[in-house]
Amino acid sequence: GQSLEQPSEVTAVEGAIVQINCTYQTSGFYGLSWYQQHDGGAPTFLSYNALDGLEETGRFSSFLSRSDSYGYLLLQELQMKDSASYFCAVRAPGAGSYQLTFGKGTKLSVIP
Amino acid sequence: DTAVSQTPKYLVTQMGNDKSIKCEQNLGHDTMYWYKQDSKKFLKIMFSYNNKELIINETVPNRFSPKSPDKAHLNLHINSLELGDSAVYFCASSQDAGLVGTGELFFGEGSRLTVL
Repeated sequence: GQSLEQPSEVTAVEGAIVQINCTYQTSGFYGLSWYQQHDGGAPTFLSYNALDGLEETGRFSSFLSRSDSYGYLLLQELQMKDSASYFCAVRAPGAGSYQLTFGKGTKLSVIP
Repeated sequence: DTAVSQTPKYLVTQMGNDKSIKCEQNLGHDTMYWYKQDSKKFLKIMFSYNNKELIINETVPNRFSPKSPDKAHLNLHINSLELGDSAVYFCASSQDAGLVGTGELFFGEGSRLTVL
């Protein structure tokens, strides 16, 4: 099976940088995804890492180290609208082509 | 046009009742899912269908029965509702391209079920 660990809550100041870590234990591994979910909203896809290294998309970057079973989401120039829950999700072998298992989410609060 | 739409958005019902949630996607995706998100925000997969065929059925009580009339629709029927079924149920879809691409899930807006 798969298990993922990420902090339950993080608070950061507007304009700052915040890193949300995710460690995982899986039977097989294809890649790590990140999703954002605002209160009352649907999860939306942010990024996917299949290979080691950093992927950058605007203010958001995601990093993966397969050897350490570890990844993180980096949010720069924080804005109030970034207050949301962030989920890491492991793509691993499962029924069909693969299975996606979510972590329990990190609630990010951005304060002025 | 909404890519993944589910109805109803809110559902309040009594214990013991039977209810259904409908989901439709207009993205042409091959795979559809039902996820349950509890009060602690934990997103847990319930079912996955690929081209109308069930491929994932996690440990879910058999009171929950998915039905996929075609690959654009995946409905969820729940019998004999219990208090613990109160949650937000999300429908999602993805393009099944094996391991090519990101495997991005497109979620519906969720259906908040409250069992009294």
